[in-house]
Amino acid sequence: QVQLVESGGGVVQPGTSLRLSCAASGFTFSRHAMHWVRQAPGKGLEWVAAIWHDGTKEYYADSVKGRFTVSRDNSKNTLFLQMQSLRVEDTAVYHCVRDWQIAAGAIYYFEDWGQGTLVTVSS
Amino acid sequence: DIQMTQSPSLLSASVGDTVTITCRASPGIGNWLAWYQQRPGRAPRSLIYASSTLESGVPSRFSGSISGTNFTLTISSLQPEDFAIYSCQQYDTFPPTFGGGTKVE
Repeated sequence: QVQLVESGGGVVQPGTSLRLSCAASGFTFSRHAMHWVRQAPGKGLEWVAAIWHDGTKEYYADSVKGRFTVSRDNSKNTLFLQMQSLRVEDTAVYHCVRDWQIAAGAIYYFEDWGQGTLVTVSS
Repeated sequence: DIQMTQSPSLLSASVGDTVTITCRASPGIGNWLAWYQQRPGRAPRSLIYASSTLESGVPSRFSGSISGTNFTLTISSLQPEDFAIYSCQQYDTFPPTFGGGTKVE
């Protein structure tokens, strides 16, 4: 059974940094591209970042490019999102998501989701 | 970016009803569309991919269809656990984009 458990959310001030983690289990983590998808309060879902199964490629939404960095540790089955220069509009629940594609990039179909971790950016 | 227009945003229904949710893609996306369900306190769940293929374990009362650039999610004989928010998402063109969501209450 696929499990994705996010952690690291909290309340931070604008301009500061935060690092999210996602512990994955129940599947071969190193064979799947992974994503972060967020949902701001009262808003729809928004894709944030993707990383290839082997970590060789990363892609970002324009809204976070240059501020967020996605990474992974396949030896520890863990996905990360380093967030810098946080803005009030980054306030959202951040979900860790498994891509359907196996060992061949990403198809951007989000097959399995974590429950999410809440990030609140407020002064 | 591909714009996904989802309607309605709110749908009132009763147990046993058949409900329909629609997404329109602009420009077109072939059949590369997925539907997701969000229930309070739970992780989002993928229901349908490639417009009409049910994910493993998803009840057969859920179905998806496509007509041109219009996509439809139909829930037949609504069950209590189906009251949730449903979102469509295109994965034809980067970046992937979602519809605004439909709350079934």
